[in-house]
Amino acid sequence: DAMVIQNPRYQVTQFGKPVTLSCSQTLNHNVMYWYQQKSSQAPKLLFHYYDKDFNNEADTPDNFQSRRPNTSFCFLDIRSPGLGDAAMYLCATSRDFGAGNEQYFGPGTRLTVT
Amino acid sequence: AQSVTQLGSHVSVSEGALVLLRCNYSSSVPPYLFWYVQYPNQGLQLLLKYTSAATLVKGINGFEAEFKKSETSFHLTKPSAHMSDAAEYFCAVILAGGTSYGKLTFGQGTILTVHP
Repeated sequence: DAMVIQNPRYQVTQFGKPVTLSCSQTLNHNVMYWYQQKSSQAPKLLFHYYDKDFNNEADTPDNFQSRRPNTSFCFLDIRSPGLGDAAMYLCATSRDFGAGNEQYFGPGTRLTVT
Repeated sequence: AQSVTQLGSHVSVSEGALVLLRCNYSSSVPPYLFWYVQYPNQGLQLLLKYTSAATLVKGINGFEAEFKKSETSFHLTKPSAHMSDAAEYFCAVILAGGTSYGKLTFGQGTILTVHP
């Protein structure tokens, strides 16, 4: 089945130690998104790629970076994780960018910062 | 600016009872509306979407929602709750124009509890 895959499902990192989260998709969608979801909150968009074009949300901290080396893969890099970065990180894809394009979500990676 | 408001952060129903989760939106341009479900430690799964084709939208797992422009609402219903429906539900909107064009904006979420 076509799907969005996130690895690992659970990640523990130390305060200040860089960490990378991975997302891959078999849907061949043009757009890939990264969301941060803290406990009991709605997902918050960090950034998205339309093909190779990177689009950062204005309030996304510089500590968060992303790479999309090809259509299938997208990575979220947290350069110096703080305790406040502990959250569920969700990757999503959509065929195109625009109002009628539903987003398909992966299972998420739960990040713990010790 | 667009916003989505879900009335009630927690809803509790008995198994077999009607499920009603409320969502209101504010938008000056035509909205596209979505309901997603999230089970614990899982990603979001699309239940249904409204894209202006029909005001009553049927989704998966027996859920449906009705778009009411006059009330700016898109409430989610299911006639008979199952234990497996216990989860968190998010209403979301994408606008067809404006500065937030194409971006999914979520409501605060409603946790549905189903009692035996």
